[in-house]
Amino acid sequence: SQTIHQWPATLVQPVGSPLSLECTVEGTSNPNLYWYRQAAGRGLQLLFYSVGIGQISSEVPQNLSASRPQDRQFILSSKKLLLSDSGFYLCACIRGLAGGPQIRSTGRDTQYFGPGTRLTVL
Amino acid sequence: DAKTTQPTSMDCAEGRAANLPCNHSTISGNEYVYWYRQIHSQGPQYIIHGLKNNETNEMASLIITEDRKSSTLILPHATLRDTAVYYCIVRVDNYGQNFVFGPGTRLSVLP
Repeated sequence: SQTIHQWPATLVQPVGSPLSLECTVEGTSNPNLYWYRQAAGRGLQLLFYSVGIGQISSEVPQNLSASRPQDRQFILSSKKLLLSDSGFYLCACIRGLAGGPQIRSTGRDTQYFGPGTRLTVL
Repeated sequence: DAKTTQPTSMDCAEGRAANLPCNHSTISGNEYVYWYRQIHSQGPQYIIHGLKNNETNEMASLIITEDRKSSTLILPHATLRDTAVYYCIVRVDNYGQNFVFGPGTRLSVLP
């Protein structure tokens, strides 16, 4: 089964500073990758998802961006952080499928989550 | 997307069964019901999922009504470590966009 690594585990950044959060996946190839954000006491908000290298879909327009430079690497970035960017950032993965990202995943595929990064913007 | 409705919070005595309900009255025929839980400051943890039939694994049982409009997650012998937010999700079978997490049910297991 896949293992998801995220770093850093916690981060405190001033407003206006840049951001780079990294997620790497082991144990599968061609995974679907996701970035979620969870504000304090709230549910999960899907930010970005990727079905392959260089393929990024944005769910919520904001000052964040995502990139997937390698098959099992997903990066969340910002050029200038806002106070509202504070939250718990989670990377998630759905296993890769034979045939690559063009193959549509089915409803039975489980999404697994990394340990998260807690970001505080001051 | 099918939406789910869950109670905001529930309490359960330690050692007793915890029954967490979920309504998903607009579910489509090919959509699965998933359950996750999130212990404070951790990533969500997969529990169980099903389509039509009841399912059981080492963590829990999932009971889906015949009309599939609702389901119940059962933790047979709740422990204090089961205290968490439990999410019921109906998976949108849409390429790439898969899971929509609502606010969930906050389960408190009491000693």
